[in-house]
Amino acid sequence: AQSVTQLDSHVSVSEGTPVLLRCNYSSSYSPSLFWYVQHPNKGLQLLLKYTSAATLVKGINGFEAEFKKSETSFHLTKPSAHMSDAAEYFCVVSDEAGTYKYIFGTGTRLKVLA
Amino acid sequence: DAGVTQSPTHLIKTRGQQVTLRCSPISGHKSVSWYQQVLGQGPQFIFQYYEKEERGRGNFPDRFSARQFPNYSSELNVNALLLGDSALYLCASSLGSRTDAFGPGTRLLVL
Repeated sequence: AQSVTQLDSHVSVSEGTPVLLRCNYSSSYSPSLFWYVQHPNKGLQLLLKYTSAATLVKGINGFEAEFKKSETSFHLTKPSAHMSDAAEYFCVVSDEAGTYKYIFGTGTRLKVLA
Repeated sequence: DAGVTQSPTHLIKTRGQQVTLRCSPISGHKSVSWYQQVLGQGPQFIFQYYEKEERGRGNFPDRFSARQFPNYSSELNVNALLLGDSALYLCASSLGSRTDAFGPGTRLLVL
């Protein structure tokens, strides 16, 4: 069965410094992986997705993620954090059998310090 | 073009009551999925409907039910509400089976 593990529940960075949010996945199939962001009292916004094309995936707002099969990882990075990046981030794997339902990680809360 | 819409935005109910949440997918999308997000956790899959038929069901009790209408909108019903049903309920819309967009959610508080 598919699953994702977000290794950090909270991450704090200073504005202008790099962001790294870690995610490991488990999948019997060649997975489809996603990162979503959720700002307070808002819905989910897709940052980027990996669907077996290029292993380095570029998303919106300067975020990118690299799919590493050997490490079963899909870490999210951004070179320079902005105050507006403060939010909850979810790593997601898609169930490739049948429903394509989304399996969410437990989330990483990113705090950006001025 | 309108995105996924959900109503109501907020709802307060008491234990034992029943609630109906509504979702309208993006125009032309034929699949709707429902997720429950309890505070401090990631969303959990409840149902998926495609072309008005149930395609999948998550690990939720029979108190949870849903349906999809001919115009592809959907309702999620929860009977005999428990305190633990307090959550943000998210609807996702897709053209085929893969999710394309999420709605803003309905926040349900059970007292």
